[in-house]
Amino acid sequence: AQSVTQLGSHVSVSEGALVLLRCNYSSSVPPYLFWYVQYPNQGLQLLLKYTSAATLVKGINGFEAEFKKSETSFHLTKPSAHMSDAAEYFCAVTRWGGSYIPTFGRGTSLIVHP
Amino acid sequence: NAGVTQTPKFQVLKTGQSMTLQCAQDMNHEYMSWYRQDPGMGLRLIHYSVGAGITDQGEVPNGYNVSRSTTEDFPLRLLSAAPSQTSVYFCASRDADSSNEQFFGPGTRLTVL
Repeated sequence: AQSVTQLGSHVSVSEGALVLLRCNYSSSVPPYLFWYVQYPNQGLQLLLKYTSAATLVKGINGFEAEFKKSETSFHLTKPSAHMSDAAEYFCAVTRWGGSYIPTFGRGTSLIVHP
Repeated sequence: NAGVTQTPKFQVLKTGQSMTLQCAQDMNHEYMSWYRQDPGMGLRLIHYSVGAGITDQGEVPNGYNVSRSTTEDFPLRLLSAAPSQTSVYFCASRDADSSNEQFFGPGTRLTVL
């Protein structure tokens, strides 16, 4: 079984401030982890993914995430928020082999203030 | 490539009506899925398919049917619409490697009155 918990349904930051979106996972085997972003009235698109290579993963638009096995976490960060980062962010987990469909977290809405 | 396409973009139904949400992909992906998105609930899996002729239920399958007669198409049928099915529906596809990303369509916004 696998699950994902995203802490905080809404995160509010000022433009230029650090962005930190939290994701904790549960998986009985080594996971694959993903962050997706959803801009208003659009579908989801991939930001970055972890697939057991480097634990620090860099994605698009300056985002990165670090896989921490001991903490079962995969938090998403960006050093300096931009107004265009305002969106819904989803963490997802799956695993190697078989017909595994990703399990998604409930999402975190990022609000960026000028 | 068009990627994943969904039609219609918007739909209003009356309770008890039936309809089919269309989804197509041109990436030759084996896996296709339907999700519904509701405020505060994230994405919930309705049905999925791992190849033509093979479908299975997800987390919230009641009230929905699917079929997969071709690799490209994965329609979602609402047999008798209910207000609880008011939601945004997303179709997604992926190849067989679970380390690869899912590609999502733009969504269908459905309102059931």
